[in-house]
Amino acid sequence: NAGVTQTPKFRILKIGQSMTLQCTQDMNHNYMYWYRQDPGMGLKLIYYSVGAGITDKGEVPNGYNVSRSTTEDFPLRLELAAPSQTSVYFCASSNILGSYNEQFFGPGTRLTVL
Amino acid sequence: AQKITQTQPGMFVQEKEAVTLDCTYDTSDQSYGLFWYKQPSSGEMIFLIYQGSYDEQNATEGRYSLNFQKARKSANLVISASQLGDSAMYFCAPTTGRRALTFGSGTRLQVQP
Repeated sequence: NAGVTQTPKFRILKIGQSMTLQCTQDMNHNYMYWYRQDPGMGLKLIYYSVGAGITDKGEVPNGYNVSRSTTEDFPLRLELAAPSQTSVYFCASSNILGSYNEQFFGPGTRLTVL
Repeated sequence: AQKITQTQPGMFVQEKEAVTLDCTYDTSDQSYGLFWYKQPSSGEMIFLIYQGSYDEQNATEGRYSLNFQKARKSANLVISASQLGDSAMYFCAPTTGRRALTFGSGTRLQVQP
């Protein structure tokens, strides 16, 4: 099992460019999440999905879009990149049993917008 | 939005000693979970321990244990016999009604030899 994989590991964008951060999990988890982590801070939820075709906004969704066409994949799209989107992006997946929601994280994508 | 408070931005502990990392949270949910994650300098997120709000016993996992006080909405992480490899950021994260985790700002623990 590869777990949760993310590509790319690093990326530098110019202001106004767009890109897609890829996330794939092979654990057949229903729930998937995108978080961002700014320097010295905790993780903030951008978007999440409870299954294929179902997505919902998190705490900081502005400037991002997601789709979930399959159980395995949950790409995050940045349109019109801004310096405020410089961050480390983590994808995670889980299956929820009651209040138990252990999330398995990918290694992260470090994005810099100049 | 749920508020998580980790009041210790940085902590130092001597190797082999125990250390307690504080976490308080604000939730109106009756049923919830409380997670702790470790983030070493390499950046990955590592699950450490979980406490369910209805669990009668405090959770333990090897050298990690939780001091869970539900009425005070407090779930402090205790690391016994600290090791140099314990140096990392530690995040407290309760579940929310949206079934995601809300992370605190973290505590940076440095273990000194």
